[in-house]
Amino acid sequence: NAGVTQTPKFQVLKTGQSMTLQCAQDMNHNSMYWYRQDPGMGLRLIYYSASEGTTDKGEVPNGYNVSRLNKREFSLRLESAAPSQTSVYFCASRDRTPTEAFFGQGTRLTVV
Amino acid sequence: GNSVTQMEGPVTLSEEAFLTINCTYTATGYPSLFWYVQYPGEGLQLLLKATKADDKGSNKGFEATYRKETTSFHLEKGSVQVSDSAVYFCALKAGGSYIPTFGRGTSLIVHP
Repeated sequence: NAGVTQTPKFQVLKTGQSMTLQCAQDMNHNSMYWYRQDPGMGLRLIYYSASEGTTDKGEVPNGYNVSRLNKREFSLRLESAAPSQTSVYFCASRDRTPTEAFFGQGTRLTVV
Repeated sequence: GNSVTQMEGPVTLSEEAFLTINCTYTATGYPSLFWYVQYPGEGLQLLLKATKADDKGSNKGFEATYRKETTSFHLEKGSVQVSDSAVYFCALKAGGSYIPTFGRGTSLIVHP
């Protein structure tokens, strides 16, 4: 099993450019999440999808949009990238049992 | 609301030293508790978990006991190795919530 797959692994954007981070899981999990990780800040939840067809804001949603395309896929879009969005982005999924989250390898995004 | 507090790092140890990373939590109901590990350049992966009071989770020589009376889930290892150098995250998942709650992470550096 591949688990949670994120693409791309690395990306450099210019300020104002747009891009979509892709995430897919093959574990048939209902819930999916997008986090960003910044030095000294731990993990901060951007958006989540409790189940297919639903999405909700997390702690830091401004500047982002998401789409739960189907049960497997949950994408994160930056419409107009800003240097403050330079970060490492992680996608995760989980279900009722087991209760732990499974993480992708991360996307390292730099906005210049 | 739910929250997790873990000791700030970095924690720097010599090989074969004893490790303790403290974690305390606040949650409604009876949460499941987790420790995740993040090796450099990778995503988080589950290290161990405990789902009810007095349970002990263990894996790879690491242990943590779910202490309801002190709302704690401290991570311990008797003899650390250089390969244990990583960032460790304490987390909880409260019943009725879709969102796992993570601590800020503790960096562990083990010197030969």
